[in-house]
Parts: sequence; C-alpha cells; structure tokens
Amino acid sequence: SQKIEQNSEALNIQEGKTATLTCNYTNYSPAYLQWYRQDPGRGPVFLLLIRENEKEKRKERLKVTFDTTLKQSLFHITASQPADSATYLCALDEGGANNLFFGTGTRLTVIP
Amino acid sequence: NAGVTQTPKFRILKIGQSMTLQCTQDMNHNYMYWYRQDPGMGLKLIYYSVGAGITDKGEVPNGYNVSRSTTEDFPLRLELAAPSQTSVYFCASSDRDRDTDTQYFGPGTRLTVL
Repeated sequence: SQKIEQNSEALNIQEGKTATLTCNYTNYSPAYLQWYRQDPGRGPVFLLLIRENEKEKRKERLKVTFDTTLKQSLFHITASQPADSATYLCALDEGGANNLFFGTGTRLTVIP
Repeated sequence: NAGVTQTPKFRILKIGQSMTLQCTQDMNHNYMYWYRQDPGMGLKLIYYSVGAGITDKGEVPNGYNVSRSTTEDFPLRLELAAPSQTSVYFCASSDRDRDTDTQYFGPGTRLTVL
C-alpha cells in the first residue's frame, strides 16, 4: 500500500541548532516533492519544492534533499529560532495525478 | 489579492443537518481542492476540480458534494451531517496546468457535528 511517513510526530530542539525532518514514502513515484509549514489554526503554506532530478534545494535557512533511491526527503532548518515552531508537512506529486499526497506532519518546537 | 478565502470559520451542526462550506479564490487558478484534516491523520483529499464545470472525487468523497460553476468558487456541500464529519476543512487552489502544483490554502473551517 502507499504510505508517506514523517519521522516523529513531534521534535524539540534548542534554539540555534539545526532541525532535520524526514519524509519517507512507499509505493509512490513522485515527480517532485514539496514542503509546507502549518501554524495552529491556519492552512498550510508552501515553503520549498524539489524535483526528482534535483539532489538539493536551498532557500535562506531552509534546505531540502531528495533521494529517489532511498525514497526519502530531508528538510533542514539551520540556526533554528522559536518562530520556526510549527508543523511541517511533506507532499508528493506523481505528475500524472491531479493532486498532492500529504504526509501527517512533524510538529517542531524550538526551545529558547 | 485575498488569495483563498473560506466561510464560515467555525460551525456546529446537529446530526442530519446540511450545510455548505464556501471557498473563493482570486488568483484565476484552474485547479481547486477540498481537504479534511483530522488530528494525526494528515490532509485527506475530498474532491477536486480542474476547471469550471469539471469535478472529480478524491480519497474520501462519501457524504460530500461539490460544484464548480465559476473559476473563483468551489463550494462543498455536506448532506445529512454525521459525527464522523467533525474535522477541519481546507480549500486550496493551484496553477497546476502552467507549472508545478504549488497549492495555496485557505484558513480552514472547523466543523463539529453533535
């Protein structure tokens, strides 16, 4: 069956450290993968997209990697800040389908 | 540019009642989506539309109906509400046919069925 698993439900880290979130998938062939941020009581907001032929993508303090052999994406936030505390969702797009498939999310808390 | 707007923000329904969740986008996107989000379950696709007049079922369509008469509006109808429909509902839109499927979400509607 198809599955998208994001490492732990919750992750706590100290301010200034690098947060690493994992997205593993089974029985999908994504053409690209996206990461979204969701704050409590709000809708998800797009952060980054990486294509299947790209190994790494960066945007300011954010970095995403995509390994189609391992079927895994890693999402890094460097020099983390309390304002980075939120739930982060990964989403897969197989290209041929008309929609995204979302993981359950990881709730990140950055402790001052 | 308001993006994607949803009304109402909150609603409590009794079992068996009906209601319509409204969704409007002002980005001229062809693709629109309805998701429900339950705690620990992620976003589940209910229905989607690839353009005015065209809708299709997602993963969890039972108990819901949609219509798409204009590019801007994509209402979601709940008939005969059941407690299992207690959830947070998100509408989203994207410009999928021009580029990748980056989705823009509304603020959500929190629905409780008692």
